[in-house]
Amino acid sequence: GAVVSQHPSRVICKSGTSVKIECRSLDFQATTMFWYRQFPKQSLMLMATSNEGSKATYEQGVEKDKFLINHASLTLSTLTVTSAHPEDSSFYICSARLWTANEQFFGPGTRLTVL
Amino acid sequence: QQQVKQSPQSLIVQKGGISIINCAYENTAFDYFPWYQQFPGKGPALLIAIRPDVSEKKEGRFTISFNKSAKQFSLHIMDSQPGDSATYFCAARNQAGTALIFGKGTTLSVSS
Repeated sequence: GAVVSQHPSRVICKSGTSVKIECRSLDFQATTMFWYRQFPKQSLMLMATSNEGSKATYEQGVEKDKFLINHASLTLSTLTVTSAHPEDSSFYICSARLWTANEQFFGPGTRLTVL
Repeated sequence: QQQVKQSPQSLIVQKGGISIINCAYENTAFDYFPWYQQFPGKGPALLIAIRPDVSEKKEGRFTISFNKSAKQFSLHIMDSQPGDSATYFCAARNQAGTALIFGKGTTLSVSS
């Protein structure tokens, strides 16, 4: 149990386009989902915390108009990278927390490459 | 005060040996301390976690030792295997529902 999926696993896009990444909790309901980005050989950097039905809370330095987060249901959160640029190329990982427990489970990640 | 300091940055261990990774924190409000294992190109996977009211937790070959007074916790991997070669992250959280704060990670290589 406690499986989190992400789609797509890998995406290549042209500079200036928008990319949507989906995060789903497959076998549990997640009231809270988190979005991280990770650069090569570095730790995970929290971008935003997403609660179902409410606006996401963004970390300092993360542009909310560039990284649009929607958490429309207890099993789905989406991250849209708008007007992507090469510096947005990174590994984006979501996680979901069981609302009754401490455990936080991560998706497999999405590799975004912006040309 | 929100940091979690992890060491060493990298570790090489012989097959069958014990791998030890250490983490330290400052915020005494942290109440949940998980360890994650990450393979290249994959998301982190929860290995084992501990609450501060327990000094040690063991699951198979993985053990967390927790020292509340020193504000330190460590991961011990017994009988290390080449398949354990991965990056390990410690993390902490200060209250239910908030995001995890991660250490910088330790790259473990187990040589056969």
